[in-house]
Amino acid sequence: KAGVTQTPRYLIKTRGQQVTLSCSPISGHRSVSWYQQTPGQGLQFLFEYFSETQRNKGNFPGRFSGRQFSNSRSEMNVSTLELGDSALYLCASSLGGSGANVLTFGAGSRLTVL
Amino acid sequence: GIQVEQSPPDLILQEGANSTLRCNFSDSVNNLQWFHQNPWGQLINLFYIPSGTKQNGRLSATTVATERYSLLYISSSQTTDSGVYFCAVERNLGGTSYGKLTFGQGTILTVHP
Repeated sequence: KAGVTQTPRYLIKTRGQQVTLSCSPISGHRSVSWYQQTPGQGLQFLFEYFSETQRNKGNFPGRFSGRQFSNSRSEMNVSTLELGDSALYLCASSLGGSGANVLTFGAGSRLTVL
Repeated sequence: GIQVEQSPPDLILQEGANSTLRCNFSDSVNNLQWFHQNPWGQLINLFYIPSGTKQNGRLSATTVATERYSLLYISSSQTTDSGVYFCAVERNLGGTSYGKLTFGQGTILTVHP
């Protein structure tokens, strides 16, 4: 079955612009999580959505937001881009039930802010 | 929050050598996964192993939950094993950790032919 699909794979923006990234989870998975990876901070959790509701949120400013649609596809948005937002953005999907969930990651969206 | 430490930070091997990567975590966990990040950035699941031992081909992993560490063994390494290996854990406190894995800083493995 198809894996986690992220689009676009690469994008370049300038400071002050906004960006929207998309994530389609594995069929049947209802949870989508987003992570930011930078050389300095490593992999950091942004937020998680399940059945169109944000259940968990990491320590990021309000410029970072997300949503989930009824088909479990998710988008994240970063407004007023800063140079420090340049990163690899990874999404992961899982079944999302109680207890431990095995996360499967997509290939990522690499954002460069100039 | 929970702390995850991986060692060594860097590892250079000749093809055919064996290696052991270690992951220490600071508190009890209900989820532990090992990932391999390929050169294009994708995190590939290797193991889901909150406790016990698992093997998959040349790779195996052991987690000793009571002592809060996990080991990833790579035998007969190949150049395609190069990349970054991450350990990630989840500590579920009353359901507030959904989707949140805490990652270690990774081990950069380079395998030379």
